[in-house]
Amino acid sequence: KQEVTQIPAALSVPEGENLVLNCSFTDSAIYNLQWFRQDPGKGLTSLLLIQSSQREQTSGRLNASLDKSSGRSTLYIAASQPGDSATYLCAVSGGNTPLVFGKGTRLSVIA
Amino acid sequence: DTGVSQDPRHKITKRGQNVTFRCDPISEHNRLYWYRQTLGQGPEFLTYFQNEAQLEKSRLLSDRFSAERPKGSFSTLEIQRTEQGDSAMYLCASSRLAGMGDTQYFGPGTRLTVL
Repeated sequence: KQEVTQIPAALSVPEGENLVLNCSFTDSAIYNLQWFRQDPGKGLTSLLLIQSSQREQTSGRLNASLDKSSGRSTLYIAASQPGDSATYLCAVSGGNTPLVFGKGTRLSVIA
Repeated sequence: DTGVSQDPRHKITKRGQNVTFRCDPISEHNRLYWYRQTLGQGPEFLTYFQNEAQLEKSRLLSDRFSAERPKGSFSTLEIQRTEQGDSAMYLCASSRLAGMGDTQYFGPGTRLTVL
């Protein structure tokens, strides 16, 4: 059974810092990995999707990497801003299986 | 695309009552998913549809839960005889392509509180 773990559970940083969020998964036979953002009481917004054959994806100040063999992904956020404050969720798909989510990392960026 | 919409956004009910939620996916998305999220947890898969066919149901979906997508467009999720443990955010998502691993677009969710 696929399990996804996100570390740390919560993170507080001053504005302008670069930061890394970690995601690990137990079964390396994944189809892709997705990072989502969730604001309090709201739905999920897809940030980046990395196919299993890819090593990384970039969107603006966000960069996600994938090391499928070791079961790890990182989300790098450059020059953090207060507007980045949210919960970041990692989810993996086996291709024909439902998304399996981690519990998320709650990020606070302090102005 | 107008995005995935869900109605209602909030629902408060008493234990034992039935509730029904609606999800309107992005038009022409043939896959529709339901998830449940409790406080401090990631979303957990409940069920999904390919067009009007319900293809998979999680063990989390007890007999009190039923989902439909009658014309392959909007979907409803009904919970009968609600229990306090049903209190959660119910999220709907849709995707365009046939693969389960394609980008899923989520709605704002319906927050259910069972008193």
